[in-house]
Amino acid sequence: AQSVSQHNHHVILSEAASLELGCNYSYGGTVNLFWYVQYPGQHLQLLLKYFSGDPLVKGIKGFEAEFIKSKFSFNLRKPSVQWSDTAEYFCAVTLNAGGTSYGKLTFGQGTILTVHP
Amino acid sequence: GAVVSQHPSWVICKSGTSVKIECRSLDFQATTMFWYRQFPKQSLMLMATSNEGSKATYEQGVEKDKFLINHASLTLSTLTVTSAHPEDSSFYICSAQVHTEAFFGQGTRLTVV
Repeated sequence: AQSVSQHNHHVILSEAASLELGCNYSYGGTVNLFWYVQYPGQHLQLLLKYFSGDPLVKGIKGFEAEFIKSKFSFNLRKPSVQWSDTAEYFCAVTLNAGGTSYGKLTFGQGTILTVHP
Repeated sequence: GAVVSQHPSWVICKSGTSVKIECRSLDFQATTMFWYRQFPKQSLMLMATSNEGSKATYEQGVEKDKFLINHASLTLSTLTVTSAHPEDSSFYICSAQVHTEAFFGQGTRLTVV
Protein backbone atom coordinates (compact mmCIF):
# COMPACT_ATOMS: atom_id res chain seq x y z
CA ALA A 1 0.00 0.00 0.00
CA GLN A 2 1.16 3.49 -0.68
CA SER A 3 2.02 5.87 2.12
CA VAL A 4 3.02 9.50 2.46
CA SER A 5 5.25 10.97 5.11
CA GLN A 6 5.59 14.64 5.99
CA HIS A 7 8.62 15.38 8.07
CA ASN A 8 7.46 18.31 10.15
CA HIS A 9 4.31 18.53 12.19
CA HIS A 10 4.62 22.21 12.98
CA VAL A 11 6.82 24.84 11.36
CA ILE A 12 7.10 28.36 12.72
CA LEU A 13 8.60 31.11 10.59
CA SER A 14 8.81 34.86 10.46
CA GLU A 15 7.52 36.75 7.46
CA ALA A 16 9.92 36.84 4.49
CA ALA A 17 11.63 33.63 5.59
CA SER A 18 11.99 30.84 3.07
CA LEU A 19 9.91 27.72 3.41
CA GLU A 20 10.52 24.11 2.54
CA LEU A 21 8.15 21.37 3.65
CA GLY A 22 9.29 17.82 3.15
CA CYS A 23 7.18 15.05 1.66
CA ASN A 24 8.19 11.50 0.86
CA TYR A 25 5.99 8.79 -0.51
CA SER A 26 6.26 5.07 -0.66
CA TYR A 27 5.05 3.41 -3.81
CA GLY A 28 6.85 1.66 -6.59
CA GLY A 29 4.54 2.55 -9.42
CA THR A 30 3.64 5.72 -11.24
CA VAL A 31 1.94 8.29 -9.05
CA ASN A 32 0.38 11.70 -9.21
CA LEU A 33 1.49 14.12 -6.51
CA PHE A 34 -0.37 16.97 -4.87
CA TRP A 35 -0.04 19.61 -2.23
CA TYR A 36 -3.21 20.86 -0.58
CA VAL A 37 -3.62 23.72 1.86
CA GLN A 38 -6.27 24.28 4.47
CA TYR A 39 -6.59 27.80 5.80
CA PRO A 40 -8.29 28.17 9.17
CA GLY A 41 -11.99 27.48 8.84
CA GLN A 42 -11.84 26.78 5.13
CA HIS A 43 -11.96 23.83 2.75
CA LEU A 44 -8.90 21.97 1.57
CA GLN A 45 -7.63 23.69 -1.57
CA LEU A 46 -5.25 22.49 -4.23
CA LEU A 47 -1.91 24.32 -4.25
CA LEU A 48 -0.23 22.44 -7.03
CA LYS A 49 0.02 19.05 -8.68
CA TYR A 50 2.46 16.95 -10.62
CA PHE A 51 1.48 14.31 -13.16
CA SER A 52 4.40 14.19 -15.56
CA GLY A 53 6.90 16.37 -17.41
CA ASP A 54 8.95 19.11 -15.78
CA PRO A 55 9.59 17.96 -12.21
CA LEU A 56 9.52 21.53 -10.95
CA VAL A 57 5.90 22.61 -10.75
CA LYS A 58 4.56 25.99 -9.85
CA GLY A 59 1.33 26.49 -8.03
CA ILE A 60 -0.80 29.28 -6.71
CA LYS A 61 0.36 32.00 -4.33
CA GLY A 62 4.03 31.65 -5.21
CA PHE A 63 4.42 28.05 -4.11
CA GLU A 64 6.41 25.50 -6.04
CA ALA A 65 7.36 21.87 -5.57
CA GLU A 66 10.02 19.63 -7.00
CA PHE A 67 9.51 15.97 -7.78
CA ILE A 68 12.67 13.95 -7.28
CA LYS A 69 11.86 10.46 -8.43
CA SER A 70 15.04 8.87 -7.10
CA LYS A 71 14.26 10.15 -3.62
CA PHE A 72 10.50 9.54 -3.78
CA SER A 73 10.14 13.14 -2.68
CA PHE A 74 7.89 16.07 -3.52
CA ASN A 75 8.97 18.96 -1.33
CA LEU A 76 7.03 22.20 -1.21
CA ARG A 77 8.87 25.51 -1.30
CA LYS A 78 8.21 29.21 -1.14
CA PRO A 79 11.04 31.75 -1.19
CA SER A 80 9.35 34.30 1.07
CA VAL A 81 6.37 33.47 3.25
CA GLN A 82 3.67 35.85 4.34
CA TRP A 83 1.49 35.94 7.42
CA SER A 84 -1.42 34.87 5.20
CA ASP A 85 0.36 31.58 4.46
CA THR A 86 -0.46 30.42 7.98
CA ALA A 87 -2.36 27.19 7.35
CA GLU A 88 -2.07 23.43 7.37
CA TYR A 89 -0.40 21.83 4.37
CA PHE A 90 -0.99 18.31 3.15
CA CYS A 91 1.01 16.29 0.69
CA ALA A 92 -1.00 13.63 -1.16
CA VAL A 93 -0.53 10.89 -3.70
CA THR A 94 -2.77 9.01 -6.08
CA LEU A 95 -2.02 6.19 -8.42
CA ASN A 96 -1.58 7.30 -12.00
CA ALA A 97 -4.44 5.14 -13.21
CA GLY A 98 -6.87 7.60 -14.75
CA GLY A 99 -10.60 7.51 -14.18
CA THR A 100 -11.61 8.18 -10.60
CA SER A 101 -8.10 7.56 -9.29
CA TYR A 102 -7.51 11.30 -8.99
CA GLY A 103 -10.01 11.41 -6.16
CA LYS A 104 -8.58 8.50 -4.18
CA LEU A 105 -5.88 10.34 -2.32
CA THR A 106 -3.40 9.07 0.22
CA PHE A 107 -2.49 11.96 2.48
CA GLY A 108 0.47 12.75 4.65
CA GLN A 109 -0.05 13.72 8.27
CA GLY A 110 -0.10 17.42 7.49
CA THR A 111 2.23 20.25 8.49
CA ILE A 112 0.95 23.25 10.37
CA LEU A 113 2.71 26.40 9.25
CA THR A 114 2.60 29.42 11.50
CA VAL A 115 4.01 32.65 10.11
CA HIS A 116 4.63 35.49 12.51
CA PRO A 117 4.34 39.04 11.21
CA GLY B 1 -13.46 25.99 -8.91
CA ALA B 2 -16.16 23.49 -8.10
CA VAL B 3 -17.93 23.86 -4.76
CA VAL B 4 -18.65 20.97 -2.43
CA SER B 5 -20.81 21.67 0.58
CA GLN B 6 -21.03 19.46 3.62
CA HIS B 7 -23.68 19.57 6.30
CA PRO B 8 -23.65 19.76 9.24
CA SER B 9 -20.30 21.31 10.12
CA TRP B 10 -20.44 19.79 13.55
CA VAL B 11 -22.73 17.45 15.40
CA ILE B 12 -22.91 15.98 18.87
CA CYS B 13 -24.90 12.82 19.36
CA LYS B 14 -25.55 10.28 22.07
CA SER B 15 -23.94 6.89 21.98
CA GLY B 16 -26.14 4.37 20.17
CA THR B 17 -27.84 6.86 17.89
CA SER B 18 -27.27 7.36 14.16
CA VAL B 19 -26.00 10.48 12.46
CA LYS B 20 -26.32 11.45 8.82
CA ILE B 21 -23.83 13.72 7.06
CA GLU B 22 -24.64 15.23 3.68
CA CYS B 23 -22.23 16.08 0.91
CA ARG B 24 -23.47 18.14 -2.01
CA SER B 25 -21.86 19.28 -5.22
CA LEU B 26 -23.32 22.75 -5.73
CA ASP B 27 -22.36 23.70 -9.26
CA PHE B 28 -21.55 20.43 -10.94
CA GLN B 29 -22.67 16.83 -11.11
CA ALA B 30 -20.59 14.23 -9.36
CA THR B 31 -21.01 10.60 -10.26
CA THR B 32 -18.31 9.75 -7.76
CA MET B 33 -17.66 11.19 -4.34
CA PHE B 34 -15.22 10.19 -1.66
CA TRP B 35 -15.46 10.04 2.10
CA TYR B 36 -12.46 10.57 4.35
CA ARG B 37 -11.94 10.44 8.08
CA GLN B 38 -9.35 12.30 10.10
CA PHE B 39 -8.34 11.49 13.66
CA PRO B 40 -6.60 14.18 15.72
CA LYS B 41 -3.03 14.79 14.59
CA GLN B 42 -3.35 12.16 11.90
CA SER B 43 -3.81 12.30 8.17
CA LEU B 44 -7.04 12.02 6.25
CA MET B 45 -7.83 8.39 5.53
CA LEU B 46 -10.01 7.37 2.63
CA MET B 47 -13.02 5.44 3.91
CA ALA B 48 -15.02 4.78 0.80
CA THR B 49 -15.84 5.75 -2.75
CA SER B 50 -19.46 6.69 -3.28
CA ASN B 51 -20.91 5.87 -6.68
CA GLU B 52 -24.16 7.40 -7.93
CA GLY B 53 -26.80 4.75 -8.38
CA SER B 54 -24.71 1.87 -7.12
CA LYS B 55 -23.10 0.51 -4.01
CA ALA B 56 -20.21 2.30 -2.40
CA THR B 57 -16.75 0.79 -2.44
CA TYR B 58 -15.21 0.61 1.02
CA GLU B 59 -11.54 0.63 1.88
CA GLN B 60 -10.09 -2.27 3.77
CA GLY B 61 -10.94 -2.17 7.44
CA VAL B 62 -13.95 0.14 7.09
CA GLU B 63 -17.19 -1.41 8.31
CA LYS B 64 -19.80 -0.93 5.61
CA ASP B 65 -22.66 -1.71 7.99
CA LYS B 66 -21.37 0.92 10.35
CA PHE B 67 -20.83 3.64 7.78
CA LEU B 68 -23.73 3.58 5.37
CA ILE B 69 -23.23 5.53 2.17
CA ASN B 70 -26.01 6.51 -0.18
CA HIS B 71 -25.45 8.35 -3.45
CA ALA B 72 -28.95 8.65 -4.81
CA SER B 73 -28.45 11.66 -7.05
CA LEU B 74 -25.69 13.29 -9.05
CA THR B 75 -25.33 16.06 -6.49
CA LEU B 76 -25.77 14.35 -3.15
CA SER B 77 -23.97 11.66 -1.21
CA THR B 78 -24.76 10.87 2.41
CA LEU B 79 -22.78 9.12 5.09
CA THR B 80 -24.72 7.68 8.00
CA VAL B 81 -22.80 6.62 11.07
CA THR B 82 -25.02 3.97 12.60
CA SER B 83 -25.14 3.13 16.30
CA ALA B 84 -22.45 5.66 16.95
CA HIS B 85 -19.94 5.13 19.75
CA PRO B 86 -17.36 7.48 21.23
CA GLU B 87 -14.62 5.88 19.11
CA ASP B 88 -16.49 7.10 16.02
CA SER B 89 -15.83 10.67 17.09
CA SER B 90 -13.76 12.16 14.33
CA PHE B 91 -13.63 14.66 11.50
CA TYR B 92 -15.34 13.43 8.33
CA ILE B 93 -14.65 15.07 4.98
CA CYS B 94 -16.15 14.42 1.58
CA SER B 95 -14.78 15.24 -1.82
CA ALA B 96 -15.74 15.06 -5.46
CA GLN B 97 -13.49 14.69 -8.45
CA VAL B 98 -13.74 17.06 -11.40
CA HIS B 99 -11.46 15.93 -14.23
CA THR B 100 -8.10 15.44 -12.48
CA GLU B 101 -8.74 17.48 -9.35
CA ALA B 102 -10.54 16.72 -6.10
CA PHE B 103 -12.69 19.36 -4.41
CA PHE B 104 -13.41 19.04 -0.72
CA GLY B 105 -16.24 19.88 1.60
CA GLN B 106 -15.55 21.80 4.76
CA GLY B 107 -15.78 18.71 6.90
CA THR B 108 -18.04 17.56 9.75
CA ARG B 109 -16.84 17.27 13.31
CA LEU B 110 -18.69 14.38 14.95
CA THR B 111 -18.61 14.00 18.70
CA VAL B 112 -20.30 11.00 20.25
CA VAL B 113 -21.02 11.30 23.97
